[in-house]
Amino acid sequence: DAKTTQPNSMESNEEEPVHLPCNHSTISGTDYIHWYRQLPSQGPEYVIHGLTSNVNNRMASLAIAEDRKSSTLILHRATLRDAAVYYCILEYGNKLVFGAGTILRVKS
Amino acid sequence: EPEVTQTPSHQVTQMGQEVILRCVPISNHLYFYWYRQILGQKVEFLVSFYNNEISEKSEIFDDQFSVERPDGSNFTLKIRSTKLEDSAMYFCASSGGRAGSRRFFGPGTRLTVL
Repeated sequence: DAKTTQPNSMESNEEEPVHLPCNHSTISGTDYIHWYRQLPSQGPEYVIHGLTSNVNNRMASLAIAEDRKSSTLILHRATLRDAAVYYCILEYGNKLVFGAGTILRVKS
Repeated sequence: EPEVTQTPSHQVTQMGQEVILRCVPISNHLYFYWYRQILGQKVEFLVSFYNNEISEKSEIFDDQFSVERPDGSNFTLKIRSTKLEDSAMYFCASSGGRAGSRRFFGPGTRLTVL
């Protein structure tokens, strides 16, 4: 299964931008890059996904490196409600293979 | 925004008993999935289902597990003879398409096997 590497944890101040990095050096040409997040005791929640080009939505932006071996999830203004585990996932076949993710802590 | 729902929210059962976890995917979605998360561990893929058959399954999804779409709205996961190690959160998900489609996850069913 295609694998991703993320920092175990990161910390951010409220109202500041957050850049969550992800390495996926074994990505193949057809693998989509997904980001989901999970709050305690809840199901995973979709954040954003893309294939080659950078993507923006109301929650976040996804910056994908030109060689596609890394990507960065950008939360433009972190709030306390953004504190969660963030998963960078390569879509492999018809499944999402979750890693350990990055625990994001947001300080007020 | 549309939601995936799951029932029950918490199921307690005795080892060796059969359990059925239920999910109502988003109505126009065609692809359905089950994942599980043992406490403190990663979310693990179990199975994907499309056009009334399993399209992919993991090593975890052995003969004790089965899935079914009994009608036009429900999607179920059955565990025939539960073991202690089946205790986990089970998440149902659905998507409108295959590759590159957003998955909508349900809130999960916490299964406790005693």
